[in-house]
Amino acid sequence: AQKVTQAQTEISVVEKEDVTLDCVYETRDTTYYLFWYKQPPSGELVFLIRRNSFDEQNEISGRYSWNFQKSTSSFNFTITASQVVDSAVYFCALSSLTGANNLFFGTGTRLTVIP
Amino acid sequence: DTEVTQTPKHLVMGMTNKKSLKCEQHMGHRAMYWYKQKAKKPPELMFVYSYEKLSINESVPSRFSPECPNSSLLNLHLHALQPEDSALYLCASSQDAVSRNIQYFGAGTRLSVL
Repeated sequence: AQKVTQAQTEISVVEKEDVTLDCVYETRDTTYYLFWYKQPPSGELVFLIRRNSFDEQNEISGRYSWNFQKSTSSFNFTITASQVVDSAVYFCALSSLTGANNLFFGTGTRLTVIP
Repeated sequence: DTEVTQTPKHLVMGMTNKKSLKCEQHMGHRAMYWYKQKAKKPPELMFVYSYEKLSINESVPSRFSPECPNSSLLNLHLHALQPEDSALYLCASSQDAVSRNIQYFGAGTRLSVL
């Protein structure tokens, strides 16, 4: 079974603080893909990153960074020096062959950055 | 260009109306998806089209009828909806329907059923 858990329902930070969004996944597949999407109030889901199960290198893109650890089945997302524009709901998602290639979403974390 | 365009942005309809949601992409993608998203919930998959054929129907009621006229267009026909069908309807597309591919989403249609 495919499952994604985002235990943090809502997080509030003050602008310029760093914040980490947690994501824990479950799958029996050895090949799978993990994604993060951002959903601002406008509603569109914006793709942020894809990681495959064989690539455990951390990734940094500007103020965003991702920490993938297969040993703990986690794919955490850190925003450095948060900005008001980062306020959104962030979804972690998993896709794999035995999941019929569907995208299984976590329940999302609502991030509010306070100016 | 990773744009998926959905129209209309907002739709209000009565329970006896018939309406359609439209989705368009010009990325050459061969898989297209409909999702339903209720407030404060993640998107839920409704339908998947792969190479213009319906490949997945997640037990969606027949009052929702998808159609894929060509590889760039996806419609969702609505008839005799219930108030509980009020939600954000999201369309997505990907290169094809395999797990490695990134799904690109449109901005959605906010549907209210009165």
